[in-house]
Amino acid sequence: QQQVKQSPQSLIVQKGGISIINCAYENTAFDYFPWYQQFPGKGPALLIAIRPDVSEKKEGRFTISFNKSAKQFSLHIMDSQPGDSATYFCAAGPSGTYKYIFGTGTRLKVLA
Amino acid sequence: DTAVSQTPKYLVTQMGNDKSIKCEQNLGHDTMYWYKQDSKKFLKIMFSYNNKELIINETVPNRFSPKSPDKAHLNLHINSLELGDSAVYFCASSQGIQGNYGYTFGSGTRLTVV
Repeated sequence: QQQVKQSPQSLIVQKGGISIINCAYENTAFDYFPWYQQFPGKGPALLIAIRPDVSEKKEGRFTISFNKSAKQFSLHIMDSQPGDSATYFCAAGPSGTYKYIFGTGTRLKVLA
Repeated sequence: DTAVSQTPKYLVTQMGNDKSIKCEQNLGHDTMYWYKQDSKKFLKIMFSYNNKELIINETVPNRFSPKSPDKAHLNLHINSLELGDSAVYFCASSQGIQGNYGYTFGSGTRLTVV
């Protein structure tokens, strides 16, 4: 019940396209779902996060969709740009604790 | 100003040696973490300190010992290094209980054991 499954492992998208990364969790106690973006040689950086009281959250070109009943959430990157090329991690955990479970990462490449 | 800084950035050492990695944060956060990222990019928590108190200690060999002299610093000492310890080690910090504001990660220390 502690896994967070992330797919795909890698993704290639044309500039201007939509990038979609999916995550699924098992533990119903999880109620905080952040996404992190990691560039080569850098640490992960918080991109956007959602709580299960909403089904969607949008910040600029980045949108999280959340399906509580299916225990799934996804990151959509609209109008993908070459500068979005990075590794993306979803994570999940229960509020009130000090640790997330991270997904296994998705390496996104946006072609110019 | 770097928010979470780690030193060194690269560390190459021989098996059996002892080494330390240092981490400092200037964000005023009260919780700090060590994460290990393996060659497949998988991120796994190792330790967490809240106000200098150890609150998370995952299943990590006892060759790894964290130390937090104050809430702005969290160091990681590794004894008797093994080939399997080669990875990127990330320090991170957060304010309060995670889930409110997320983590701020450092840039990582790439440890290579030869």
